[in-house]
Amino acid sequence: GAGVSQSPSNKVTEKGKDVELRCDPISGHTALYWYRQSLGQGLEFLIYFQGNSAPDKSGLPSDRFSAERTGGSVSTLTIQRTQQEDSAVYLCASSLGMGLAGPLLIYAFGPGTRLLVL
Amino acid sequence: AQSVSQHNHHVILSEAASLELGCNYSYGGTVNLFWYVQYPGQHLQLLLKYFSGDPLVKGIKGFEAEFIKSKFSFNLRKPSVQWSDTAEYFCAVNKARQDSWGKLQFGAGTQVVVTP
Repeated sequence: GAGVSQSPSNKVTEKGKDVELRCDPISGHTALYWYRQSLGQGLEFLIYFQGNSAPDKSGLPSDRFSAERTGGSVSTLTIQRTQQEDSAVYLCASSLGMGLAGPLLIYAFGPGTRLLVL
Repeated sequence: AQSVSQHNHHVILSEAASLELGCNYSYGGTVNLFWYVQYPGQHLQLLLKYFSGDPLVKGIKGFEAEFIKSKFSFNLRKPSVQWSDTAEYFCAVNKARQDSWGKLQFGAGTQVVVTP
């Protein structure tokens, strides 16, 4: 597709339930990122994938959070046993390539999934 | 730890006024710098970016930003705003290192409201 897509756009769940959030990156983008935007705060890095390399999970807030990327394309962010503090907008982004070359480091963001944990 | 500070959380100004949004970061090494904008109901869009070269960068919609290395700053400017510039603006920084390039550190954002 032309841009990064995410689904669902909104998700309401009960505390303690598991949720899965999906991201479809731009075709050909080898790098994929997850960020979280909480109310009144900036964006918080969660995890990123680059090609076949091991993902950088350093931003995941707890072991309830996990993510995978299948076939180097679609990614799923899973939150187990959701808590109310998990309520936020979860943003996915993708970019071309890897390396320090500036023009490659263009992040395209998706519309986000708004998660509300009751 | 690296941090990104945006000086104002909310800015209200009239059409045709000039806009300047401050952004400072704390990392001492080489950085890549970005400004993103989020219009109401829309997703984040890149306004402009700096990687190297001319520290004055021009972006879309008449925005520009100046990188001042000695001040660790990357302030965003627009000489004359329009009502359509009402949005939230985010400064973002990442370290120009191979083990860090995937991580963008964002500021808390500045909500800009332009009144007619």
